[in-house]
Amino acid sequence: DAGVTQSPTHLIKTRGQQVTLRCSPKSGHDTVSWYQQALGQGPQFIFQYYEEEERQRGNFPDRFSGHQFPNYSSELNVNALLLGDSALYLCASSLFSSDTGELFFGEGSRLTVL
Amino acid sequence: GESVGLHLPTLSVQEGDNSIINCAYSNSASDYFIWYKQESGKGPQFIIDIRSNMDKRQGQRVTVLLNKTVKHLSLQIAATQPGDSAVYFCAGYGNKLVFGAGTILRVKS
Repeated sequence: DAGVTQSPTHLIKTRGQQVTLRCSPKSGHDTVSWYQQALGQGPQFIFQYYEEEERQRGNFPDRFSGHQFPNYSSELNVNALLLGDSALYLCASSLFSSDTGELFFGEGSRLTVL
Repeated sequence: GESVGLHLPTLSVQEGDNSIINCAYSNSASDYFIWYKQESGKGPQFIIDIRSNMDKRQGQRVTVLLNKTVKHLSLQIAATQPGDSAVYFCAGYGNKLVFGAGTILRVKS
């Protein structure tokens, strides 16, 4: 049973560029959440997707956008990259119907903005 | 709003000793709490959870205690092993999961 997979694992961009990160959820899961984790900090919630729609959003600017596909996979897009966007981006999957909030995380995509 | 924070940023324990990691939360609406373990270069891994209507839950070598009166929860690890070295996060769930900053656990052999 494949867990949550993310790609790419590492990438380097320059300020002003755009980036797309990808995530495939755990088999049987229908909800994908994205988190940003800066060095030495806990993951910060970006947004959640279910049924191809953004259901919840954290305190992140519109430069952060996402998409969910019919097969439940998801993309995170960040435009006009800033140095402060350098972080580990984590994708987590779950079942929307679950009341426990338990998330299964991928290994993350490490983004470095120069 | 919601916030979940940790008392100690770093905890060093001797192999074989018990570890206790503490966490405070501010949102009484959180009805579910989870402890995650994150090893270097990896995503957070589920350890144990507890509902707000419980005060204690035990797993394999781990116990979570919840004190709703003072909005505090703790993770106890029995007979700490070198493989337990990691960053530990508590997270509270109301309508979304909110993480604390984390505690680094270092196990000395």
